Amino acid sequence: QKEVEQDPGPLSVPEGAIVSLNCTYSNSAFQYFMWYRQYSRKGPELLMYTYSSGNKEDGRFTAQVDKSSKYISLFIRDSQPSDSATYLCAMTRYSSASKIIFGSGTRLSIRP
Amino acid sequence: KAGVTQTPRYLIKTRGQQVTLSCSPISGHRSVSWYQQTPGQGLQFLFEYFSETQRNKGNFPGRFSGRQFSNSRSEMNVSTLELGDSALYLCASSFTGETSTDTQYFGPGTRLTVL
Repeated sequence: QKEVEQDPGPLSVPEGAIVSLNCTYSNSAFQYFMWYRQYSRKGPELLMYTYSSGNKEDGRFTAQVDKSSKYISLFIRDSQPSDSATYLCAMTRYSSASKIIFGSGTRLSIRP
Repeated sequence: KAGVTQTPRYLIKTRGQQVTLSCSPISGHRSVSWYQQTPGQGLQFLFEYFSETQRNKGNFPGRFSGRQFSNSRSEMNVSTLELGDSALYLCASSFTGETSTDTQYFGPGTRLTVL
């Protein structure tokens, strides 16, 4: 079993819909949680960064962490075709970038 | 400011050969990390360099090596290539390598195909 599980999709939704992306994990020691967006033929870019449990909002994006359930989510409101990409969840026990464990990514497609 | 650049963008090699990939970090960044991305295993950490010293290493065989120069540019080398080494190799840079205080920026990657 992988430490971080993420549904690979693909997930296809109409423009304007609310998108929910999720990851589960097994290591209760994880404290730092991240979401990355990766466009085709590009490297990942950091979207959201949260520490411990709770919610964090940034524009149309909301990240949620439920440590008791070992479950994290990324919500995208008013989805746009430009949001079509692969979304990677990532987490680590320590803040060092070398210790980050990545999910395998969910491919998202927003239909105009 | 200029982002992380990686060269070459695409490479085709045959089994048994060796390959060297290059990464130029964002100006001022001293931490450079390398990752391997494959459909089956996802993104996996290879190693991190900080101020010319390897600071961390992932679980990859010794065929994978790297170095960092005084200008923070980094290279990674893979010797005796195997079919399973076909992957996207990503480089990422940051000032400190500490995610709680610093953002890591990824380059576009080098797509390596081993035939």
